[in-house]
Amino acid sequence: GENVEQHPSTLSVQEGDSAVIKCTYSDSASNYFPWYKQELGKGPQLIIDIRSNVGEKKDQRIAVTLNKTAKHFSLHITETQPEDSAVYFCAASGGSSNTGKLIFGQGTTLQVKP
Amino acid sequence: DAMVIQNPRYQVTQFGKPVTLSCSQTLNHNVMYWYQQKSSQAPKLLFHYYDKDFNNEADTPDNFQSRRPNTSFCFLDIRSPGLGDAAMYLCATSLLSGRTTYGYTFGSGTRLTVV
Repeated sequence: GENVEQHPSTLSVQEGDSAVIKCTYSDSASNYFPWYKQELGKGPQLIIDIRSNVGEKKDQRIAVTLNKTAKHFSLHITETQPEDSAVYFCAASGGSSNTGKLIFGQGTTLQVKP
Repeated sequence: DAMVIQNPRYQVTQFGKPVTLSCSQTLNHNVMYWYQQKSSQAPKLLFHYYDKDFNNEADTPDNFQSRRPNTSFCFLDIRSPGLGDAAMYLCATSLLSGRTTYGYTFGSGTRLTVV
């Protein structure tokens, strides 16, 4: 089945710097790659997603890139702010045994220092 | 606003006492999922319903059951909660069309404590 690896597990940046989180997936049939932000005690919130027919997508300070050949995708946050501090999860869906379920990476704890 | 609502927000149950968590949606999505999330870990899928078809993950304990009486509601039943079942339980919904998923949405979760 699908497996998603996420790195790094923790990331600390200075306010205003950029942050990059990377994920790799195993099932080449996967076609949907969302990113979630989870704050303490809350459910995951979708921040951006990308489908396999697109190589890059941007929404203000957040961008996601997808390399289907290498089976990896990355989240880029520019001009980080303290409120960006949270746990970020990547996920993949639509693999060979597709039932729409998301397979999550292990999560990255992002700390933005003021 | 269309959304996924989980009740209760916090649930305390006794060791071995059956407990039911509920999830409702106004999105008219055809798939509903239950995830278990323990501290500092990724959400782990327990099972999901594609319309009325139930799909259990291979490693989901028999202690966990689910019901989906209609499109809008889905329940998670834990028959005999153990201390290891204390976790955040997340409900999610999506619209699955062919191999394409749309609108994957999570509820706020139910934090289960077992005493």
